[in-house]
Amino acid sequence: EIVLTQSPGTLSLSPGERATLSCRASQSVSSSYLAWYQQKPGQAPRLLIYGASSRATGIPDRFSGSGSGTDFTLTISRLEPEDFAVYYCQQYGSSSWTFGQGTKVEIK
Amino acid sequence: EVQLVESGGGLVQPGRSLRLSCAASGFTFDDYAMHWVRQAPGKGLEWVSGISWNSGSIGYADSVKGRFTISRDNAKNSLYLQMNSLRAEDTALYYCAKEAGSPLFRYFDYWGQGTLVTVSS
Repeated sequence: EIVLTQSPGTLSLSPGERATLSCRASQSVSSSYLAWYQQKPGQAPRLLIYGASSRATGIPDRFSGSGSGTDFTLTISRLEPEDFAVYYCQQYGSSSWTFGQGTKVEIK
Repeated sequence: EVQLVESGGGLVQPGRSLRLSCAASGFTFDDYAMHWVRQAPGKGLEWVSGISWNSGSIGYADSVKGRFTISRDNAKNSLYLQMNSLRAEDTALYYCAKEAGSPLFRYFDYWGQGTLVTVSS
């Protein structure tokens, strides 16, 4: 099973700042099979990025994804108040899906 | 508008069974694979099980294999999860999720609001 490790665990930033979230896989992941989700308290996860770098429908362009192989990154160019949430990466491989443990982006 | 509405959660004793349901609407249900994902209180997301559009392909996480059974009824636009031999560590919010349609990408584009399962004596 591929293990995804996200870092940092918590990111403390101010609105307007840039957020860089990392997702590292224990073995190579196809870029096509790497996705990112946002989850706010009391809400279901929301798809942000699929295929490592493609934004889902309705997702603002301040969100971008990049990476390949074992290292992937979610970048939020300028944090808006509604972006403070927990972010998860997800991969598909060997007929199963795994999630990273999440990165919480909190207001500094 | 895509809607996924889970039901069937509740408080159950260890070793007992529970059946979750997910009612889908707003899309052609039998065109898409569906999944269950759970989230223990205060914890992250864990994929539990998935089923292809025609039930021909089914998968489970190792943590539930042999205890949980996923199924679907395309005529009723419904997804199910039969959970047997429940353990305290199965306590979680269970989400129903729709997989996106492209075989090139394997991700979940819509999620329900979840149904809470609590396993406790």
